[in-house]
Amino acid sequence: AQSVTQLDSQVPVFEEAPVELRCNYSSSVSVYLFWYVQYPNQGLQLLLKYLSGSTLVKGINGFEAEFNKSQTSFHLRKPSVHISDTAEYFCAVSDRNSGYSTLTFGKGTMLLVSP
Amino acid sequence: GAVVSQHPSWVICKSGTSVKIECRSLDFQATTMFWYRQFPKQSLMLMATSNEGSKATYEQGVEKDKFLINHASLTLSTLTVTSAHPEDSSFYICSAAGRLAMGEQYFGPGTRLTVT
Repeated sequence: AQSVTQLDSQVPVFEEAPVELRCNYSSSVSVYLFWYVQYPNQGLQLLLKYLSGSTLVKGINGFEAEFNKSQTSFHLRKPSVHISDTAEYFCAVSDRNSGYSTLTFGKGTMLLVSP
Repeated sequence: GAVVSQHPSWVICKSGTSVKIECRSLDFQATTMFWYRQFPKQSLMLMATSNEGSKATYEQGVEKDKFLINHASLTLSTLTVTSAHPEDSSFYICSAAGRLAMGEQYFGPGTRLTVT
């Protein structure tokens, strides 16, 4: 079984400032890692994913994340945020060996970007 | 690519009636579809997993007779909330995964259900 911890329920930041959203996971098996974004009253959109290879993963909208196996972390970063980045961000993991692709989600982090 | 649609986007129904929500994968074959429920300001709660042509697998605590899931084809899954009550009001989101998904799911836009 896996679990995902998003340490911050809310992160306020000013426009054009850098931001890091933290994600730690626990798993007894190898996992795939994902970050999704959810805008109000919408479904989830994939920001980026780590499947294998380079531990630094670049995604859409200028976001990137780094997989750190020793710290079991997959923190999301953006060097300069925009007002439009205000949304809920979910970290998720999936068992590499699962045929069902079941995702385990963190509780989410609300990114609030103000002018 | 990898677009998932849901219909309707929102629905209001009276207590005791049933409502059906459709989830379609528009440009790929979804061997597995997932149904989630999301309460305000909370994470997604997996309700059930369905594979095309098979019965859905429900998560613990989810009433399978109340939330009927059908995955009749590789592009369509439906969730029927039977005898709806106000406590069933929620945001329902479906997602779909293809055969070589490697863990990735594609999410629909969600359906807001309000039971009066």
